[in-house]
Amino acid sequence: DAGVIQSPRHEVTEMGQEVTLRCKPISGHNSLFWYRQTMMRGLELLIYFNNNVPIDDSGMPEDRFSAKMPNASFSTLKIQPSEPRDSAVYFCASSLGDSGNTIYFGEGSWLTVV
Amino acid sequence: SQQGEEDPQALSIQEGENATMNCSYKTSINNLQWYRQNSGRGLVHLILIRSNEREKHSGRLRVTLDTSKKSSSLLITASRAADTASYFCATDPGNNRLAFGKGNQVVVIP
Repeated sequence: DAGVIQSPRHEVTEMGQEVTLRCKPISGHNSLFWYRQTMMRGLELLIYFNNNVPIDDSGMPEDRFSAKMPNASFSTLKIQPSEPRDSAVYFCASSLGDSGNTIYFGEGSWLTVV
Repeated sequence: SQQGEEDPQALSIQEGENATMNCSYKTSINNLQWYRQNSGRGLVHLILIRSNEREKHSGRLRVTLDTSKKSSSLLITASRAADTASYFCATDPGNNRLAFGKGNQVVVIP
């Protein structure tokens, strides 16, 4: 299996621009997660989908952030407009079923907003 | 939300030595997971231990869980230079939402 695939791997953008991060979960997995990692705050759960439905988006920082999962094999995380404080590594992860199963992470999208 | 806290924060050891990291958490859990992250890479799952388990082994890794003390430990035996990485514990209270600790930087000196 190819694992969780994220794109782009690296992105540098100017403040105010729209950023779209993409994720393809492992085939057959029905849970998908977006995490953000920074030095200051560590790893934070942004949003959790189950069977393509957002279950918990309490970690989404503010209205500038939105996430969609139009089908079982694709999800996007969008930031509009982006700000320098959004600079971080954004990880997508997926798992099969509910709690208690291994969660597999992608390689991350390294975002820098200047 | 609860969060694992690893201790010590940074560890530097000689190749061949054992490395032990501890993780504490605050609330009840369904399971606890350990992950490794190499510099510039994603997180790699190492071991999952359920709340009704006390110890688990995987190759050179040994994980213990003490739910009465709300703590877990990760032992890496006979460390290798390739074990140099950050190690994270993550707790799952049973709702599939992992809460991660700040991570533990391990450096294995050849």
